[in-house]
Amino acid sequence: DVVMTQTPPSLSVAIGQSVSISCKSSQSLVYSDGKTYLHWLLQSSGRSPKRLIYQVSNLDSGVPDRFSGTGSQKDFTLKISRVEAKDLGVYYCAQTTHFPPTFGAGTKLELK
Amino acid sequence: EVKLVESGGGLLKPGGSLKLSCVASGFTFSNYWMHWVRQAPGKGLEWIGEIEYDGTETNYAPSIKDRFTISRDNAKNTLYLQMSSVRSEDTATYFCTTPGFAYWGQGTLVTVSS
Repeated sequence: DVVMTQTPPSLSVAIGQSVSISCKSSQSLVYSDGKTYLHWLLQSSGRSPKRLIYQVSNLDSGVPDRFSGTGSQKDFTLKISRVEAKDLGVYYCAQTTHFPPTFGAGTKLELK
Repeated sequence: EVKLVESGGGLLKPGGSLKLSCVASGFTFSNYWMHWVRQAPGKGLEWIGEIEYDGTETNYAPSIKDRFTISRDNAKNTLYLQMSSVRSEDTATYFCTTPGFAYWGQGTLVTVSS
């Protein structure tokens, strides 16, 4: 199985600050169609996960452009600019390139 | 609007059985593979299985293979997870989700305890 390693496990942030979360995979996530199926999800406290970004850098509908995703092959980053209170929760990266789909362990974003 | 609503969770004893349902709306259910993902209390996300559009192909994680069965009824826009021979480590919130994890239900809690 592809191992997804997220760092850091937790982040303390002040409102308005910018943060980055890293996600590294044990194998390249480029599929045979040339696309990279790496996604970012946010799980707010007590809620189900919500996808924010798909295929590395594409924002889902309604997701503010304060969120951005970059990376390629095995190394990916989620950046959140000007953090707001509603951004707090646990962020997960997930890959659906290889079977079985796998998730990172999560990064908990908390208020400083 | 895409909506996924799980139900059927509850408390059961080790070795018992339970069937979860997920009713889908807002999209053409029969056109999509569907997935189940679970989350143990305080833990991360674990993909446990998937089912093809018409139900002819299913794939499972080793942790639940031969104990759980995924099925679907496209006429009812409903996805199922039949759980059998459950263990304490199956205690989790179970979510149904669409390809690429684009949409999620609210989840249903299954607790396995004697």
